[in-house]
Amino acid sequence: DIQMTQSPSSLSASVGDRVTITCRASQSITSYLNWYQQKPGRAPKVLINGASSLQSGVPSRFSGRGSGTDFTLTISGLQPEDFATYYCQQSYSTPYTFGQGTKLEIK
Amino acid sequence: QVQLQESGPGLVKPSGTLSLACAVFGDSITISNWWSWVRQSPGKGLEWIGEIYHSGTTNYNPSLKSRLTISVDKSTNQFSLKLSSVTAADTAVYYCTTSAYGSQNWFDPWGQGTLVTVSS
Repeated sequence: DIQMTQSPSSLSASVGDRVTITCRASQSITSYLNWYQQKPGRAPKVLINGASSLQSGVPSRFSGRGSGTDFTLTISGLQPEDFATYYCQQSYSTPYTFGQGTKLEIK
Repeated sequence: QVQLQESGPGLVKPSGTLSLACAVFGDSITISNWWSWVRQSPGKGLEWIGEIYHSGTTNYNPSLKSRLTISVDKSTNQFSLKLSSVTAADTAVYYCTTSAYGSQNWFDPWGQGTLVTVSS
């Protein structure tokens, strides 16, 4: 299985801040990397697919970069609704696997 | 736009079989999509369980494969999950979701999720 490791596990930030979450794969997954946002009691929602393609309707303050094994999700200008848990997921090969999550909290 | 809705018992006894169904609304289950199950244990992360194509082709997570059956019913536009010999470790919120065949395989949309508790 491909292991996905996210860092940090939790992050405190303020409205307006710029934050970056990192995801590392245990082997190359080229650009088969997706990012999800999950709020309490809700299903995950895809933000970015293919490492850097923003899903329709997702604000442009979200951006993704990377290829191979190292990826980042950046949120520029945090808004109150962005405080949630974020997961990366590799879709390069089954079993598809997720990172352990990064909980973004209000400072 | 496809919508998904899970259904099934919220409580299963240890050693029993967990059975869930996912109804697909807004399109036919025979479109070129993979139909997946993902679970999330309380306070934990996400685990992909397995997927099925409308032809019946499946891919399972090896960690669950010996206990797992995913099937599709084109007549009711649903797909189902059966997980046998359950233990407390199988207690989780179970989501159904989908990904487009031949795409980057991201999951969208998701059902709202259903909590299944394994307890006597």
